[in-house]
Amino acid sequence: TQLLEQSPQFLSIQEGENLTVYCNSSSVFSSLQWYRQEPGEGPVLLVTVVTGGEVKKLKRLTFQFGDARKDSSLHITAAQPGDTGLYLCAANTGGFKTIFGAGTRLFVKA
Amino acid sequence: SAVISQKPSRDICQRGTSLTIQCQVDSQVTMMFWYRQQPGQSLTLIATANQGSEATYESGFVIDKFPISRPNLTFSTLTVSNMSPEDSSIYLCSAGTGNGELFFGEGSRLTVL
Repeated sequence: TQLLEQSPQFLSIQEGENLTVYCNSSSVFSSLQWYRQEPGEGPVLLVTVVTGGEVKKLKRLTFQFGDARKDSSLHITAAQPGDTGLYLCAANTGGFKTIFGAGTRLFVKA
Repeated sequence: SAVISQKPSRDICQRGTSLTIQCQVDSQVTMMFWYRQQPGQSLTLIATANQGSEATYESGFVIDKFPISRPNLTFSTLTVSNMSPEDSSIYLCSAGTGNGELFFGEGSRLTVL
């Protein structure tokens, strides 16, 4: 069974702090996605990483795919209350199915 | 990208009844999926909705409990049958083009009393 292990599960920080969320697996994936979900809404795609070692930036968010394409990280610089939400990593398992990590619930206090 | 509309957005149902959730996509998509998200948890794939044929269910989910239809490339329904309080959850419809990226509806929050 392919699993995505995400950590931490919960994070409460002050506005302006930096944080990193990790997504690890023993499996190799052709691509990995990060989503953010806010209460009452469905997950929204943030980024897809494809190449081992790839780094993508989305404003204050930096996404990295591990060299072996088994792990990924999401780093947020100078977090803001608007970053509050559930962050989910996901990967395609082949046959077009996507599995999700357990999620990291982030709360940024003003 | 795709815009996905789900209805109902929420419902409160009695034990033993069934509810059908509808999902409409604004463009033709290759793949449609149904996920369940229990309170405070991540997403679990229920099944892949196949156009014109029976859905492909994941381990722990069966057609009798969660019948799914997909009559065309833009529409699918999920029925939660013979509901119990354990079925209280958010049910999410998603669509993708096969490259791993998914687009989601807002979800249908179901409460079973």
